[in-house]
Formats: sequence, structure tokens, C-alpha cells
Amino acid sequence: SQQGEEDPQALSIQEGENATMNCSYKTSINNLQWYRQNSGRGLVHLILIRSNEREKHSGRLRVTLDTSKKSSSLLITASRAADTASYFCATDAGNQFYFGTGTSLTVIP
Amino acid sequence: KAGVTQTPRYLIKTRGQQVTLSCSPISGHRSVSWYQQTPGQGLQFLFEYFSETQRNKGNFPGRFSGRQFSNSRSEMNVSTLELGDSALYLCASSTYGDEQYFGPGTRLTVT
Repeated sequence: SQQGEEDPQALSIQEGENATMNCSYKTSINNLQWYRQNSGRGLVHLILIRSNEREKHSGRLRVTLDTSKKSSSLLITASRAADTASYFCATDAGNQFYFGTGTSLTVIP
Repeated sequence: KAGVTQTPRYLIKTRGQQVTLSCSPISGHRSVSWYQQTPGQGLQFLFEYFSETQRNKGNFPGRFSGRQFSNSRSEMNVSTLELGDSALYLCASSTYGDEQYFGPGTRLTVT
């Protein structure tokens, strides 16, 4: 079964608002990554957080990782219409990457 | 650096045929991974190659195979195609298998 599950499955917000999506996983990991995918195209790497890190920032992105709860969250601040995409978490369990089911984010201008 | 390239971008095949997809990684990247993406199953890991050796493998039948050449370019082959093999096949490259850079994908339709 898939390692990661994102929540919510879909999210619709107004431009300028913050978007938060969550990821839960099942086994121990080396790191967790977040990716963005636009309209069925290739994925773009957003941010990587290692298992010994608790929080990481990159521009308007903030990622947290709680290994005790096996969960992570991605916060996008001051969202823009261009942020409309599907967001996936991916866990590196050492032997392969497991991608979550994805959160579809729609930012309304 | 040029990004990950995949060829062809679109492919239509008939059930029972076989298909070969190609992936050229970013220069200097030695790890190449393949994924299958479908609306029902999401993104599923097929296999990873590192320095011409298959390092990891997902839970796919033996009809799915791959290889990597000395220049790190990789090919994926699917034999005896089934309707359920219709999907977007994504290739990703990385230096050692951590942060992955994805290609645009090959959309395979099996009729």
C-alpha cells in the first residue's frame, strides 16, 4: 500500500490566503520531500526535510516534520494563482520512494 | 544544465504489443528512477538504477523491466501490454537518490 496520504484531497482558497496541506506516512524514513505537479505534467521538487529536522523554510514555503506522529505539513503563504497545482509528499524509506495521494490546490484570483 | 528528457512524449500502442521508453538524466546524475502515474493508483515506484545496476524495485510484474547505460541514460520496457498499463510514465534523476528531478513524462495509451 502507499506510504503517504495527503489531507485534504482538495483545497480551494482565495489568492493571498495561506494554504496548509498535511501528509501522513507509515514507516521510518530518511527524509520527506514535497513536490508540485501542474496539469498532469512532470513533478517539480519543492523542499526536502531530513528525519532529524523539525522545520524548514524556502521562500513562501514552510515544512514541518513530526517523526513521532509520522506526519508532515506544507504551508504556502500568500498564495498566488500560479500555485494552483497538485502537491505530493514523498518519503524516502531507504529502498524506494513512496508518493502520497496528493492534494489538489486551487487558488482563485 | 539541461533537464531530464523523456522520449517519446506520447505513445499509442495496442494490447499485446511491447513498448520502450527512454530517459536522459541531468548531466552528472547517476540515479534514474521510473514511476507510473494513473488516476486510480497515483504515483507508483517502478524501479531505480544507479551506475547501471538496478538498486531498488517496486511491486510491478516482470513485464516491466529497465536498464541503464554507461552514460546514465535509461530505458524502460513493458512487454505484452495490457489496457491497465495506460498511464503517465515519469522518469526522475538524482545524484545519489535523494532530491529527484523529474522529466515531463511519456503518456502511454494502450488500446
